[in-house]
Amino acid sequence: DAMVIQNPRYQVTQFGKPVTLSCSQTLNHNVMYWYQQKSSQAPKLLFHYYDKDFNNEADTPDNFQSRRPNTSFCFLDIRSPGLGDAAMYLCATSSGEAIHQETQYFGPGTRLLVL
Amino acid sequence: AQRVTQPEKLLSVFKGAPVELKCNYSYSGSPELFWYVQYSRQRLQLLLRHISRESIKGFTADLNKGETSFHLKKPFAQEEDSAMYYCALSEDSGYSTLTFGKGTMLLVSP
Repeated sequence: DAMVIQNPRYQVTQFGKPVTLSCSQTLNHNVMYWYQQKSSQAPKLLFHYYDKDFNNEADTPDNFQSRRPNTSFCFLDIRSPGLGDAAMYLCATSSGEAIHQETQYFGPGTRLLVL
Repeated sequence: AQRVTQPEKLLSVFKGAPVELKCNYSYSGSPELFWYVQYSRQRLQLLLRHISRESIKGFTADLNKGETSFHLKKPFAQEEDSAMYYCALSEDSGYSTLTFGKGTMLLVSP
């Protein structure tokens, strides 16, 4: 049973054309995360939501935005994709209720190609 | 700022050989460490965490604060262990963001 779902699995967009990636979860978790992973690099956290509270990483470009309209869904908007934004985008969730070492549950990722 | 280093991009061993995937971290506080694994065509998933002190699929990892390391070990590698392994660090207890290493690809040959 898929718990963290990402659509689409592959996304092709044109340079400068806005694109939205989606993530949904059936775990009813409070926290949702977006990571960017480029080839041979570590997953890099872009931002996360604790419930409705948005937390942006300091070095996340302004070009990247996020929306969380409800508990189940979270979107990653790239306003003007550049060639350097081509990457795998991973969504993850965690309960936000643990005292120690929460597990993060990952989606399969969306691979973004910018032409 | 915290940092996680996995010095090996690729580790290739034969089935039955011991495996050690290295992970070093840099963090001034009291870290919480994890190993995540990604098998071929599967999603990233938790393998183990240091606080649990448990063995998962024969893998163990001990947090060595003196050496700031959290190496992943298995005495006898199996072909099904072939995967990408990521070491990750969390700053605080409970809900916290993760800092990942670049990962080590483990290939176990028959």
